[in-house]
Amino acid sequence: DGGITQSPKYLFRKEGQNVTLSCEQNLNHDAMYWYRQDPGQGLRLIYYSQIVNDFQKGDIAEGYSVSREKKESFPLTVTSAQKNPTAFYLCASSIGYRGITEAFFGQGTRLTVV
Amino acid sequence: KQEVTQIPAALSVPEGENLVLNCSFTDSAIYNLQWFRQDPGKGLTSLLLIQSSQREQTSGRLNASLDKSSGRSTLYIAASQPGDSATYLCAVGRGGATNKLIFGTGTLLAVQP
Repeated sequence: DGGITQSPKYLFRKEGQNVTLSCEQNLNHDAMYWYRQDPGQGLRLIYYSQIVNDFQKGDIAEGYSVSREKKESFPLTVTSAQKNPTAFYLCASSIGYRGITEAFFGQGTRLTVV
Repeated sequence: KQEVTQIPAALSVPEGENLVLNCSFTDSAIYNLQWFRQDPGKGLTSLLLIQSSQREQTSGRLNASLDKSSGRSTLYIAASQPGDSATYLCAVGRGGATNKLIFGTGTLLAVQP
């Protein structure tokens, strides 16, 4: 089955701790994205990557970091610099060629600060 | 700055009714528009993608229209069923190879049996 797998489904972070959210896709897509969803707000773009070893900041990148060492993987690290990390995090991918841009999403990771 | 608005925020209808969900955007220079469904605590499921040059797309009981000049899109659901209950999100694409999406806040739909 092709798709996007996010893990873990639930994650708890202590104050001052860095945590990493996993996102893996087997759709052979070039582009990958991380979005954050908060209650009552639309999804907001954190980081995106068009190709391996390249990534760009989105609208709310402060306090987050990413890497793209493999085409299939785009992990997101929530650092201690992110002051309000409690949210639902969604990873997405798309083919990435101009004109073929339908986005597909994973099942999300809910991060809670304890 | 592009802003996407969805009205109403919540909608409750009896089973079998046809319904329309609305999405408006402030900048008509969009690359495409995508409608998604989100069940509680889950990720997003893509329903329909409309390119900026298209007027509508259909999939089963769903029909999405796009009017770029007025900054509006509608999602029409025919013969609604309790299984259609979910949050429906629209997102406009900014274009480019990665086509970053700007999302509305969604419409929470409840279809009563």
